[in-house]
Amino acid sequence: DQQVKQNSPSLSVQEGRISILNCDYTNSMFDYFLWYKKYPAEGPTFLISISSIKDKNEDGRFTVFLNKSAKHLSLHIVPSQPGDSAVYFCAARKNFGNEKLTFGTGTRLTIIP
Amino acid sequence: DTAVSQTPKYLVTQMGNDKSIKCEQNLGHDTMYWYKQDSKKFLKIMFSYNNKELIINETVPNRFSPKSPDKAHLNLHINSLELGDSAVYFCASSQAGGYQPQHFGDGTRLSIL
Repeated sequence: DQQVKQNSPSLSVQEGRISILNCDYTNSMFDYFLWYKKYPAEGPTFLISISSIKDKNEDGRFTVFLNKSAKHLSLHIVPSQPGDSAVYFCAARKNFGNEKLTFGTGTRLTIIP
Repeated sequence: DTAVSQTPKYLVTQMGNDKSIKCEQNLGHDTMYWYKQDSKKFLKIMFSYNNKELIINETVPNRFSPKSPDKAHLNLHINSLELGDSAVYFCASSQAGGYQPQHFGDGTRLSIL
């Protein structure tokens, strides 16, 4: 029972354009959402997060949008750069103390120069 | 000054052996985690410790035994290794409470022959 889903296993975007990565979740108890970026042979690196009391959080080129009614979040990267090529994982958590992260299966983003 | 470090990075061993993976964090976090990434790239929680106390145990076989000598270290010992244990194991840490992201090590790739 996968509670966090990333339905696009891969995405290719031209350099300079916007990359949009999507994530859906099923558990309404989740109230903290994170995006991680992962390069080969490295661990996931925290990118940006959003709590359920917000619908948007921005950090430089990265913006995360949360639509609680649709149980959907998205990560926008603009402008996309070659160094953004990586696997992006969406993760969700209940905000009770030391709750675990539940991860999606990742989307491989390739930025085409 | 690596934040979360795991050793070894690669571990190749025979079925039936016992092995350990070590994890250390220098972020001053009080919660540490072990995740397993299987062949389908799905990252799943195994254990979580808060201040040396086990708080999450996700129905992992009891051949896996985590040990936390202090809050900066969380080691994973695996007895009687099986073929299905082949995976990448990631250690992570976070500060408990509130909206705090988890920070990951670079993973240990375990291969069972």
